[in-house]
Amino acid sequence: QVQLVESGGGLVKPGGSLRLSCAASGFTFSDYYMSWIRQAPGKGLEWVSCISSSGTPISYADSVKGRFTISRDNAKNSLYLQMNSLRAEDTAVYYCVIDRGAVAGDYFDYWGQGTLVTVSS
Amino acid sequence: QSALTQPPSASGSPGQSVTISCTGTSSDVGGYNYVSWYQQHPGKAPKLMIYEVSKRPSGVPDRFSGSKSGNTASLTVSGLQAEDEADYYCTSYAGRNNLLFGGGTKLTVL
Repeated sequence: QVQLVESGGGLVKPGGSLRLSCAASGFTFSDYYMSWIRQAPGKGLEWVSCISSSGTPISYADSVKGRFTISRDNAKNSLYLQMNSLRAEDTAVYYCVIDRGAVAGDYFDYWGQGTLVTVSS
Repeated sequence: QSALTQPPSASGSPGQSVTISCTGTSSDVGGYNYVSWYQQHPGKAPKLMIYEVSKRPSGVPDRFSGSKSGNTASLTVSGLQAEDEADYYCTSYAGRNNLLFGGGTKLTVL
């Protein structure tokens, strides 16, 4: 069955960096767009970034553009999110999701369990 | 771009129907048929309930239905059950590189 397992979260100081990983299994990873979606503690969901099945095109939310970099390794069935210049407002649970449908962002039918990123001094 | 507007809370008794609205603009909800709805129980990842306005994924009970009129999408839960108590989020495609989420609605089963 489809599994998405995130890792790499943790506590980091403002201005620091962190790299999230998502290990995918149970489906043909290289066939699908993938996205990262985050949820701040007690808050709603926010789309962060999307990457096509081949690696380009890529898109970012304005709130992370220039600081975050999404990438994938289809040979390793893995999705990544490199997060630099982290801010307190980046504190959230980050979910790895399969991005399906006619357009990027159409709908997300599989979600990982999430990994918590805390940005605090 | 602003988030989509959802009521912060909704409620109903077991067996009743409840409808949650999701209001956007002609640039998002009203402009595309790419509205989806997610259910989230505390401490859990969201689960897709409705996609492309009114389509139901395999395994989602037919008590859940979606619709859209103009710039407002709606999720209706019929025959409310205790396990339907959760947070519900709508999303809408808003053009290339732009996806909007609603602020979420906490559904309480009385």
